[in-house]
Amino acid sequence: RKEVEQDPGPFNVPEGATVAFNCTYSNSASQSFFWYRQDCRKEPKLLMSVYSSGNEDGRFTAQLNRASQYISLLIRDSKLSDSATYLCVVNRGNTGKLIFGQGTTLQVKP
Amino acid sequence: DAGVTQSPTHLIKTRGQQVTLRCSPKSGHDTVSWYQQALGQGPQFIFQYYEEEERQRGNFPDRFSGHQFPNYSSELNVNALLLGDSALYLCASSLADRGLQYFGPGTRLTVT
Repeated sequence: RKEVEQDPGPFNVPEGATVAFNCTYSNSASQSFFWYRQDCRKEPKLLMSVYSSGNEDGRFTAQLNRASQYISLLIRDSKLSDSATYLCVVNRGNTGKLIFGQGTTLQVKP
Repeated sequence: DAGVTQSPTHLIKTRGQQVTLRCSPKSGHDTVSWYQQALGQGPQFIFQYYEEEERQRGNFPDRFSGHQFPNYSSELNVNALLLGDSALYLCASSLADRGLQYFGPGTRLTVT
């Protein structure tokens, strides 16, 4: 079993839709959590950190449930420019070693 | 403010050869981490360099080695290349070994 698991998708949604991605992690020692965005053949870019209290950045909301070892990302009012792969990332014990999920691909259609 | 830079952008090598990839961290960062990303997969941690020493290592064989220079730039060396080493090699820099990591554009290595 992979340490960080995501549904690879693809998720195909119309512009304006709300879409949610889920991620589970298996190591309870994980301490830091992130969502990265990766465009085709480009490098991953930090989208947002994920905090226990939940956090929001514009149309993006991230949630963390430590008890269930579950992370989510909600995108509201999807734009064509949101089309990308979203990577769920954990940092076990703040070691600097990032552990990535496989990524979930989102395609927003006009 | 320069971001993370990597060279070369693309590279084609033959099985058994050796390759060196280079990374310059973002201005103000002192830590460099290397990742391998196979097609359709998330990046996998290779190792991290901080204060010119390897601090963390992932599950990669000794054929993968690295170095960090006094100016914080870093090299990744891979010996005895295998077809399975074909991937996008990403460098990420951070401030100290636990800071937020920012990625460079990567080097796409093809082994034939």
